[in-house]
Amino acid sequence: QKEVEQDPGPLSVPEGAIVSLNCTYSNSAFQYFMWYRQYSRKGPELLMYTYSSGNKEDGRFTAQVDKSSKYISLFIRDSQPSDSATYLCAMPQYSGAGSYQLTFGKGTKLSVIP
Amino acid sequence: DAGVIQSPRHEVTEMGQEVTLRCKPISGHNSLFWYRQTMMRGLELLIYFNNNVPIDDSGMPEDRFSAKMPNASFSTLKIQPSEPRDSAVYFCASSLATSLSRDTQYFGPGTRLTVL
Repeated sequence: QKEVEQDPGPLSVPEGAIVSLNCTYSNSAFQYFMWYRQYSRKGPELLMYTYSSGNKEDGRFTAQVDKSSKYISLFIRDSQPSDSATYLCAMPQYSGAGSYQLTFGKGTKLSVIP
Repeated sequence: DAGVIQSPRHEVTEMGQEVTLRCKPISGHNSLFWYRQTMMRGLELLIYFNNNVPIDDSGMPEDRFSAKMPNASFSTLKIQPSEPRDSAVYFCASSLATSLSRDTQYFGPGTRLTVL
């Protein structure tokens, strides 16, 4: 079993829809949870991060963590065509010598249709 | 800030040839990561450096792959000899490792490698 599982999609929704993106993980050592967004032919960029269980909001984006189920979600409200991208969940883990290693999900490709 | 710079952006080569990918991290960052991204396997960590020292190269697929970081502002990933299955997008990322687990990695635009 991979440490982080993510449905690759693709996911296609109409503009204005609420989008739900999810990841599951198996390693209980993961304490922080990140969402990266990757536009086509670009590098991933950090969208949101959260530490504790519960919800964290940032504009139209809400990150949700359920540590008891080892399940994280990213919700996008009022989705826009500009949200069309691949969304990757990522979990950092301290790997010694002052460095942190990220374990990524495979990413979910989202298309928001005008 | 220019962000993480990678070169070349595209590379097409023939099987057996040597390929060198280059990365300039963000100034002041002390950790550098090399990733490979494919449709099948997603984003995989190949190797990372902290303060120019390789910390973990367990993700390097074979001895054909090697990476160096001679100074804080430059790193290379070399494949010799290259094979068609090495075709992928290679990303370099850098970060300022802190004591907080929410370490943010900043990615470059990637090098799209095609080995014929």
